[in-house]
Amino acid sequence: DIQMTQSPSSLSASVGDRVTITCRASQGISNYLAWFQQKPGKAPKSLIYAASSLQSGVPSKFSGSGSGTDFTLTITSLQPEDFAIYYCQQYNSYPLTFGGGTKVELK
Amino acid sequence: EVQLLESGGGLVQPGGSLRLSCAASGFTFRNFAMNWVRLTPGKGLEWVSGISDSGGDTYYADSVKGRYTISRDNSKNTMYLQMNSLRAEDTAVYYCAKDLFGDVWGKGTTVIVSS
Repeated sequence: DIQMTQSPSSLSASVGDRVTITCRASQGISNYLAWFQQKPGKAPKSLIYAASSLQSGVPSKFSGSGSGTDFTLTITSLQPEDFAIYYCQQYNSYPLTFGGGTKVELK
Repeated sequence: EVQLLESGGGLVQPGGSLRLSCAASGFTFRNFAMNWVRLTPGKGLEWVSGISDSGGDTYYADSVKGRYTISRDNSKNTMYLQMNSLRAEDTAVYYCAKDLFGDVWGKGTTVIVSS
């Protein structure tokens, strides 16, 4: 199974900040990497697929990069609605696996 | 509008069974793989099971293999998850998700396994 390791597990940031979350796969997954945002009591929301492709309707403040084993999600100009938990997920092969999540909190 | 709607969750005793459903609308259901993912309190998202577009291939997490069965009825645009021999650790919100990279998710259905 492919293990996905996210870091940090949590971070504190202020409105307007730029934040970067990293995700590392235990083996190469090409660009089969997705990012999700989840808020309490809500379903996960797809942000990015294929490592860097923005889902329709997702603002361009979200961006993804990487290939192989190392990936990043960057959020620019953090706004109150962006405080949430973010997950990466590999879909190179079954079993699909998620990172442990990164909680972005208000400083 | 593309939508997924889960149903069938509830409170069940350990060792019991439940059948979850995921009704799809707004897209050609038979063309897409589908997955079940759960959110466990304090543990994050966990992929549970997946099924190919035709239903011919199915996949399971080790934690549910032999207890859960995934299926789909493309004529009804619906996917199912039969859950048997339920354990306390299966307590979670269960989501269905479209395609391998989850571009669309349902709102979830809650399963509580407790005596």
